[in-house]
Amino acid sequence: KQEVTQIPAALSVPEGENLVLNCSFTDSAIYNLQWFRQDPGKGLTSLLLIQSSQREQTSGRLNASLDKSSGRSTLYIAASQPGDSATYLCAVGLNALTGGGNKLTFGTGTQLKVEL
Amino acid sequence: DTEVTQTPKHLVMGMTNKKSLKCEQHMGHRAMYWYKQKAKKPPELMFVYSYEKLSINESVPSRFSPECPNSSLLNLHLHALQPEDSALYLCASSQEDRGIYGYTFGSGTRLTVV
Repeated sequence: KQEVTQIPAALSVPEGENLVLNCSFTDSAIYNLQWFRQDPGKGLTSLLLIQSSQREQTSGRLNASLDKSSGRSTLYIAASQPGDSATYLCAVGLNALTGGGNKLTFGTGTQLKVEL
Repeated sequence: DTEVTQTPKHLVMGMTNKKSLKCEQHMGHRAMYWYKQKAKKPPELMFVYSYEKLSINESVPSRFSPECPNSSLLNLHLHALQPEDSALYLCASSQEDRGIYGYTFGSGTRLTVV
């Protein structure tokens, strides 16, 4: 069974810092890995999608890397801002193998607070 | 249209009520999903519909009944729920059933069972 872990569980940083969020998974047979942002009580906003054949993806101040062989992904946030405060979730996509349909397994999340 | 729309945003229901959650997307996605998220926990998969057919049921109690009337619409019918079923219910869709191009999530329905 795929297990996805995120470290740290919570992080508080001053504005302007560069930071790294970590995600590890136990089964390397993944289709892709997706990073999401979730504000309190809200839905999930997709940040970056990395296909299993890719090593990294970038969008603005965000950069995500994927190392399938070691079962790790990192999300790098440059020049953090108070508006970045949210919970960040990584999720790996696995083939459900039977009957079609993919299974997305989420990590435990990192709660980020960026202070003024 | 690049959104997944969920209604209602909030729902309070008694344990004897019957209610339904609705999810709609007009992106032409062929797979749709229901997830349940308890406070401070990651979302957990409940159901997957692939090309309008139920492909995955993660051993969800029968008091939750999914329905996919067409490729754009997904419903979750609720009946005789328990207070522990209170949670954020998230709908998602993907272009095809392997999720190769990623997932789009709705903003969720906050359900409270009293």
